[in-house]
Amino acid sequence: NAGVTQTPKFQVLKTGQSMTLQCAQDMNHEYMSWYRQDPGMGLRLIHYSVGAGITDQGEVPNGYNVSRSTTEDFPLRLLSAAPSQTSVYFCASGLAGGQDTQYFGPGTRLTVL
Amino acid sequence: SQQGEEDPQALSIQEGENATMNCSYKTSINNLQWYRQNSGRGLVHLILIRSNEREKHSGRLRVTLDTSKKSSSLLITASRAADTASYFCARDAHTGNQFYFGTGTSLTVIP
Repeated sequence: NAGVTQTPKFQVLKTGQSMTLQCAQDMNHEYMSWYRQDPGMGLRLIHYSVGAGITDQGEVPNGYNVSRSTTEDFPLRLLSAAPSQTSVYFCASGLAGGQDTQYFGPGTRLTVL
Repeated sequence: SQQGEEDPQALSIQEGENATMNCSYKTSINNLQWYRQNSGRGLVHLILIRSNEREKHSGRLRVTLDTSKKSSSLLITASRAADTASYFCARDAHTGNQFYFGTGTSLTVIP
C-alpha cells in the first residue's frame, strides 16, 4: 500500500492565484482531513470528510474549499492565495475521526508571495 | 482555539535518560492520541488511550490519562538519539468528528 500520498511536495504561488493540493489514500478509509502546520501553532484542522459526498469545516476553513467525490481522493482548493496561507499542509486519513489512528501524508510546503 | 497545550515546548536530554512531556486540554474527550513528527516529515501515530483507560504502554512509551485534570503525559524511557523529534497530543471532539492537535514538544536527545 502507498498509504496517504500528497502532491505536489513544494509549491510557490503568487497572491491571488488558485491551486489544488491533491491527497489520495489506498486504505479504504472513510475519514479524511486536511491540516495546516505553522511554526509554534501545531496542526490546525482546515476541513474534514467522514465519507464520499460529505465534508465539513474545521477550525480554519476560510479561503479553502474541499470536495469528496470518491473514498480515495480529498483535494484541497485554495481559491485566491494569500501570504497568510503560506504553510505546510498535511492530509490524513483514518477509519474514523478521533476514535482511530490517523495516517498522515508527507506534506506539501506552500509559499505564497 | 480548540488546541491543547503541551509542556514543555522544548526538552533536551542525554541519551539514556527518560523524557516526560505533558498535554492539557479543555473539553471532554473520548480518546487521546500521541504522534511523533521527525523534522520535515509527516506525523506518525504512537499510541491511543481511551477516556476509560488510565495508563497504556507500548515498548519504551508509557502514556497516562487523567480525565479529571484533563491532562495526559507521555514518558519515553531510556531515550535514544533517534527519539529526537516533535511530539504532539491529539484529542477528538467529544460531540463530533473533529480532531485537534496540541502545539507540540520538541525533544532533542543528545548522544
